[in-house]
Amino acid sequence: GAVVSQHPSRVICKSGTSVKIECRSLDFQATTMFWYRQFPKQSLMLMATSNEGSKATYEQGVEKDKFLINHASLTLSTLTVTSAHPEDSSFYICSAREMTGSYEQYFGPGTRLTVT
Amino acid sequence: QKEVEQDPGPLSVPEGAIVSLNCTYSNSAFQYFMWYRQYSRKGPELLMYTYSSGNKEDGRFTAQVDKSSKYISLFIRDSQPSDSATYLCAMSSNYGGATNKLIFGTGTLLAVQP
Repeated sequence: GAVVSQHPSRVICKSGTSVKIECRSLDFQATTMFWYRQFPKQSLMLMATSNEGSKATYEQGVEKDKFLINHASLTLSTLTVTSAHPEDSSFYICSAREMTGSYEQYFGPGTRLTVT
Repeated sequence: QKEVEQDPGPLSVPEGAIVSLNCTYSNSAFQYFMWYRQYSRKGPELLMYTYSSGNKEDGRFTAQVDKSSKYISLFIRDSQPSDSATYLCAMSSNYGGATNKLIFGTGTLLAVQP
């Protein structure tokens, strides 16, 4: 099946610094990638939808200047959390959708971000 | 009111039991219904996908959708300890469209005791 990877799997950073998370589709080309955030015991919340070569579409309430998304190729999207604060600590999960065939979203394993 | 409501559990059952997991929703535009399984600290994996109302069976798993009641269910027969995970329902009004936006429930934590 289709595989999506994320790097790093977990990261600890200091308040005020920036953190970049990578999402890669390993064996398929993804026109669209999605970034979700999941707080403990809460559902996955869509943050933004990223299409290759164009600007990301952010959900209401998500600050685009704080969560920078780049989808430079059909296999890579990055999420940069700028000037991170402790309240940004969460589980960040990406998913990717194939160009053709099934519209299924394949999820990455997630990145645990802790801001101290 | 949340668009999708799901009992977070935890739900603990003995091995071999039939498990029933449920979600209700408020948006009548939802046409596509999914169940995902998520192990601790991992991303969700798709278990079942159903379009509109009806039943779908895949091995020990059966998904049911009742659009008139805005209620979906996932049944697991002969549950195994390896089924212990969080089960999330997800829905979309435009699954194959440009946005393909999924709305998730909070997930139900299931523990199958050997």
